[in-house]
Amino acid sequence: QVHLVESGGGVVQPGRSLRLSCAASGFTFSGSPMHWIRQAPGKGLEWVAVVSYDGLRKFYADSVKGRFTISRDNLKNMVYFQMNNLRPEDMAVYYCARQEGGVFDYWGQGSLVIISS
Amino acid sequence: EIVMTQSPATLSVSQGERVTLSCRASQRVSNLAWYQQKPGQAPRLLISGVSTRATGVPARFSGSGSGSGTEFTLTISSLQSEDVAVYYCQQYNDWPPYTFGQGTKLEIK
Repeated sequence: QVHLVESGGGVVQPGRSLRLSCAASGFTFSGSPMHWIRQAPGKGLEWVAVVSYDGLRKFYADSVKGRFTISRDNLKNMVYFQMNNLRPEDMAVYYCARQEGGVFDYWGQGSLVIISS
Repeated sequence: EIVMTQSPATLSVSQGERVTLSCRASQRVSNLAWYQQKPGQAPRLLISGVSTRATGVPARFSGSGSGSGTEFTLTISSLQSEDVAVYYCQQYNDWPPYTFGQGTKLEIK
C-alpha cells in the first residue's frame, strides 16, 4: 500500500528557510518521479517541483525557481524540499505526490507552511 | 504554459441527478486528468488519459473530450452525497509546468 507522509511544516518568518520531508513506502520508490504541489488557503492546486526517479533531473515552477530545491534519497525513500527566502505568498499546504504515467496517483496528507512575522 | 479553465466555479445539484463539469485547455492536449478533493483531505486521482478511471473509482464517474482536444468533461451519472468536493482538471501534455484548472466546487442542492 502506497504511503506518503510529509513533515517539516510550521511557522516561519518572511525571508527565512524551511525544509520539508516526505517519507515514502509501499512501492518501488527509486522508480517513480516525485512532486511537490501546494495549495494556498482557500485556493486551488499549484504544481511547484518535480525530481526524476534518479534525482538527476529537476524542474520548478517559475514562482519558486531559484529559491526552492527538490531532492531525493533513494536509499532512505525520502523526498526533500528546501525552501529559502520564503515569501508571504508561499504560505500553503505542501503535498508530496507520486507520479505514475504522467499523473499524480498518490498524495500525502500535506504539510502546512505558515509565513508570519 | 497551457492554461486550464474550469466552469462553473460552483455547481449545486440534487442527489441522484446527472452532473457535468467542464474544463477547457488553452491549446490542444491529449493528456488530461481529473482529481477530487473533499474538505480537509488531499486530492485523489479520478481520471487519467481523458477517460480512464483510476483504481477504485466508481463507475458513475466518467471522463470525455471533444475532437478539438481543448474541451473536456467530467460526468457523474447519479450524484451521491459523498461526491461533494472540489474537482480539478490537470494537463500533463506539455510540462513544466503541470497546470491545474481553478476547480469546480460541487454541492448538493
